Amino acid sequence: EAQVTQNPRYLITVTGKKLTVTCSQNMNHEYMSWYRQDPGLGLRQIYYSMNVEVTDKGDVPEGYKVSRKEKRNFPLILESPSPNQTSLYFCASRFQGGSYNEQFFGPGTRLTVL
Amino acid sequence: SQQGEEDPQALSIQEGENATMNCSYKTSINNLQWYRQNSGRGLVHLILIRSNEREKHSGRLRVTLDTSKKSSSLLITASRAADTASYFCATDRDTGGFKTIFGAGTRLFVKA
Repeated sequence: EAQVTQNPRYLITVTGKKLTVTCSQNMNHEYMSWYRQDPGLGLRQIYYSMNVEVTDKGDVPEGYKVSRKEKRNFPLILESPSPNQTSLYFCASRFQGGSYNEQFFGPGTRLTVL
Repeated sequence: SQQGEEDPQALSIQEGENATMNCSYKTSINNLQWYRQNSGRGLVHLILIRSNEREKHSGRLRVTLDTSKKSSSLLITASRAADTASYFCATDRDTGGFKTIFGAGTRLFVKA
């Protein structure tokens, strides 16, 4: 089944404790992206990747890191999480064909930073 | 600020009625997409309209795009209780990469 998976689905952590949220897709998509969703703000793009070893900042990259060493994986790293990073996070992927392609979303990761 | 702004923020209708949601954006775009989200779950793609298209249909969905007014509308005809969800528009800009910007969404409630 074609899908985007994220782990963990739920995470409660404390300020300053490094964490990684994994994202994997099995559709051979070139493009992958991370978003955070906060009430009343819709989804905001954190980072995106056009292909392996090619990443770029979205609109809210501060406090996050990403890497794209393999085509299928795009982990999101919070080196020193803070309470303002409490949010619902989504990973997405799509074929990179002139952007005329839908994005496939993962189920989301609900992160709480105490 | 958000590139896409949906209007209205919330909409409540009876089953069988049509639902219309609007989206405005600020900069030039490659395409505009509409997504649906059921209570905090992943987004599901509904329809994509390219910048050189004016109208597109998919089942009970009709999307229009007016690039001169930088706006789009999503019409859901003969709505069903199962259409209850949040609906988001998203725009892709060619910035060397492809940044995607989502609006804040319209919450649709269809009463049975």
